Amino acid sequence: DAGITQSPRHKVTETGTPVTLRCHQTENHRYMYWYRQDPGHGLRLIHYSYGVKDTDKGEVSDGYSVSRSKTEDFLLTLESATSSQTSVYFCAISRTGGNYEQYFGPGTRLTVT
Amino acid sequence: LAKTTQPISMDSYEGQEVNITCSHNNIATNDYITWYQQFPSQGPRFIIQGYKTKVTNEVASLFIPADRKSSTLSLPRVSLSDTAVYYCLVGDMPNSGNTPLVFGKGTRLSVIA
Repeated sequence: DAGITQSPRHKVTETGTPVTLRCHQTENHRYMYWYRQDPGHGLRLIHYSYGVKDTDKGEVSDGYSVSRSKTEDFLLTLESATSSQTSVYFCAISRTGGNYEQYFGPGTRLTVT
Repeated sequence: LAKTTQPISMDSYEGQEVNITCSHNNIATNDYITWYQQFPSQGPRFIIQGYKTKVTNEVASLFIPADRKSSTLSLPRVSLSDTAVYYCLVGDMPNSGNTPLVFGKGTRLSVIA
């Protein structure tokens, strides 16, 4: 268990509403990631962070923003949720920045109606 | 960015050895090869990682030929609980000027009794 929690675990929201998902880690790892998973697409990287206040875009970053003000928390914000953002969102951490062993949280199922 | 190609699905009987091959023709010198396993409604779980030749752990073996343009994940004597999606990833570390690794669609392994 890599000590990763995600909140909320499930959320239903309406189109146009802002939504923030939280990823919390207890092990002080430098790298954190947000992915979304949709049928037929596998996992796609949204944003990642390589340190406090250091973030970068992934493959599908449009419509999402992130913030990392503390090592342990990585927030994903949908400024104005759309139905196309209905998905399962996974947070991950990397214990060792020198390679790619990532550990994933339990996921957040988001439904935008 | 090294793209990976792996079979969409595979079937196997319990007790058999399963080999899943991944092609990554554009792998770069600094890239590692990593495999993850994902069960339904869970986040992916790291299985094994390698750079060249052979790596073995308590779960699987990873075979990488000298040219590193492909790799094979070998699962010995599979059981029903090995039914999952298996992802092959190739990538370097973030904040090094390279794009972080990307999950493809994976291989759906179905183990039959």
